[in-house]
Amino acid sequence: RKEVEQDPGPFNVPEGATVAFNCTYSNSASQSFFWYRQDCRKEPKLLMSVYSSGNEDGRFTAQLNRASQYISLLIRDSKLSDSATYLCVVNDYGQNFVFGPGTRLSVLP
Amino acid sequence: ETGVTQTPRHLVMGMTNKKSLKCEQHLGHNAMYWYKQSAKKPLELMFVYNFKEQTENNSVPSRFSPECPNSSHLFLHLHTLQPEDSALYLCASSQGPGQGGETQYFGPGTRLLVL
Repeated sequence: RKEVEQDPGPFNVPEGATVAFNCTYSNSASQSFFWYRQDCRKEPKLLMSVYSSGNEDGRFTAQLNRASQYISLLIRDSKLSDSATYLCVVNDYGQNFVFGPGTRLSVLP
Repeated sequence: ETGVTQTPRHLVMGMTNKKSLKCEQHLGHNAMYWYKQSAKKPLELMFVYNFKEQTENNSVPSRFSPECPNSSHLFLHLHTLQPEDSALYLCASSQGPGQGGETQYFGPGTRLLVL
């Protein structure tokens, strides 16, 4: 079983749409959780950390469900500039960061 | 952005060559990482260094040899690589464990092709 799994994608949505990505992880002892975005042929960059209480940053909302070992990312009012691959990252233990395979998003005009 | 720099950006090498990848971070961080990103595969953590000491080695073949002379510099020495080692090699840094921040900042990567 893969350690971190994500929606396979790609997601093609029109501008202004709301889109949600899902991520599951296998290690129940995982300590911290993140969403990164990676543009084509660029390095990953932190989008947001994910807290147990859920957190919001502008149009982006992240949720964590430890019981179900599930993380989500919601993007409201999609912009063309949101087109990227979204990576779910789980800190397994210590500094062992496990990346999911990513979900590609294309926002269409 | 120049927080984490990597050189070279592109590298082509034969299987018998020896080369080194260099990473430098200007963020005052204490932890540095090497990742491998192959086509169609997730990023794979290779090595972690904290305060110049290696703390993680994720079963990486010995043809990859890391070196961390200080908290700002990280090298990956390559020798007798295989074609399947062709990938994007990404360096990252973070403040380090117990330092209040696990956010990783990535360099632009070195795109390696092994012939």
